[in-house]
Amino acid sequence: QVQVVESGGGVVQPGESLRLSCAASGFTFSKIGMHWVRQTPGKGLEWVAFIRYDGNNKYADSVKGRFTISRDNSKNTLYLQMNSLRAEDTAIYYCVREGGHWLATFDYWGQGTLVTVSS
Amino acid sequence: DIQLTQSPSSLSASIGDRVTITCRASQNIKNYVNWYQQKPGKAPNLLIYASSDLQAGVPSRFSGSGSGTDFTLTITSLQPEDLATYYCQQSYGASYTFGQGTKLEI
Repeated sequence: QVQVVESGGGVVQPGESLRLSCAASGFTFSKIGMHWVRQTPGKGLEWVAFIRYDGNNKYADSVKGRFTISRDNSKNTLYLQMNSLRAEDTAIYYCVREGGHWLATFDYWGQGTLVTVSS
Repeated sequence: DIQLTQSPSSLSASIGDRVTITCRASQNIKNYVNWYQQKPGKAPNLLIYASSDLQAGVPSRFSGSGSGTDFTLTITSLQPEDLATYYCQQSYGASYTFGQGTKLEI
């Protein structure tokens, strides 16, 4: 069965960095695009970044230049490197599989990992 | 970015009711709309894609419609397990965005 499991969340101070990981199983990871989506009580759900199976990627404006999405297809693992973190980056971060329909969909979600940015 | 506005923000209904949630886009997004259900303490779950296509495994009491700027999610014969928050999401723009959510109380 499809599984995506996030790790790496924690508490950091503003300006610091953090790297999230997502271990994928139950599907051919190297052939599927992956997303990061975050959720806060105040701003709701926010798409963060996408990486295609071949490494092509795109970002939300709010994280462009600070976050980097990457993948290691040999390890079936997705990453999100988060630099220059701000208080407004505090959220639950979900690793999400691209649904494979003709438009972008989010079909399998992990349980999420909490990132807290606070001094 | 394309903005999505859902209404109502919250809704109280009874078992067996027919429920309709609307989502309005800030510009024409054709049928590039998906709907998700999020139960308390869980991650969202894809219900409907491309405005009206039912995701595999989703009960047929869920349906979607609309195109352009106005979209609806309908639940016929509401069940206790449908207690959740429902989100629309657009995939038309370069950046994907979600509505603010509709909390369904039973």
